[in-house]
Amino acid sequence: DSGVTQTPKHLITATGQRVTLRCSPRSGDLSVYWYQQSLDQGLQFLIQYYNGEERAKGNILERFSAQQFPDLHSELNLSSLELGDSALYFCASSVAGGSSGEQFFGPGTRLTVL
Amino acid sequence: GIQVEQSPPDLILQEGANSTLRCNFSDSVNNLQWFHQNPWGQLINLFYIPSGTKQNGRLSATTVATERYSLLYISSSQTTDSGVYFCAVLMDSNYQLIWGAGTKLIIKP
Repeated sequence: DSGVTQTPKHLITATGQRVTLRCSPRSGDLSVYWYQQSLDQGLQFLIQYYNGEERAKGNILERFSAQQFPDLHSELNLSSLELGDSALYFCASSVAGGSSGEQFFGPGTRLTVL
Repeated sequence: GIQVEQSPPDLILQEGANSTLRCNFSDSVNNLQWFHQNPWGQLINLFYIPSGTKQNGRLSATTVATERYSLLYISSSQTTDSGVYFCAVLMDSNYQLIWGAGTKLIIKP
């Protein structure tokens, strides 16, 4: 158990809908990262927050948004869902927000868009 | 951008065998991590090893940063070692992990 929690574990929804994925980092970690793992694209970085502020952005679609709250938990919002958004979404956390810290991963949320 | 290549892409072994997985990267990195993704999809941290050698039970890893590669050794394989092993690196200029395509390991009883 990495100490990073994600809810829900599974999510099945229809095209056009909006969902929210939630992540709680390890105790003491200030940075939260979101990654997407799809069959055709592998693991890709979406976005990073550090202590409530957006720190870095990767290949995140405009239909997707995220935030980190004062208690440091984070939410990833996916809207106008398409079939291609079906994937495993991972949250990771690290103590600091720099380039040398180890990232620890949650169990993931498996999103299926029908 | 930085390229991360893992080899071999697939590996099938009998229980008890040893294996070596390789990760090559094309630029200097500040962070290198090895992960095991089990058949249920969970990503399990194995090693944080930007340089040097570490051991944890039957697993060990070595990163030679100057030559831009890392090796993961698995000894006396067990069926529970099956899954996909990923190498991921992080550069000084950004904060995202860049992932290799993984090595799919199947351990047969």
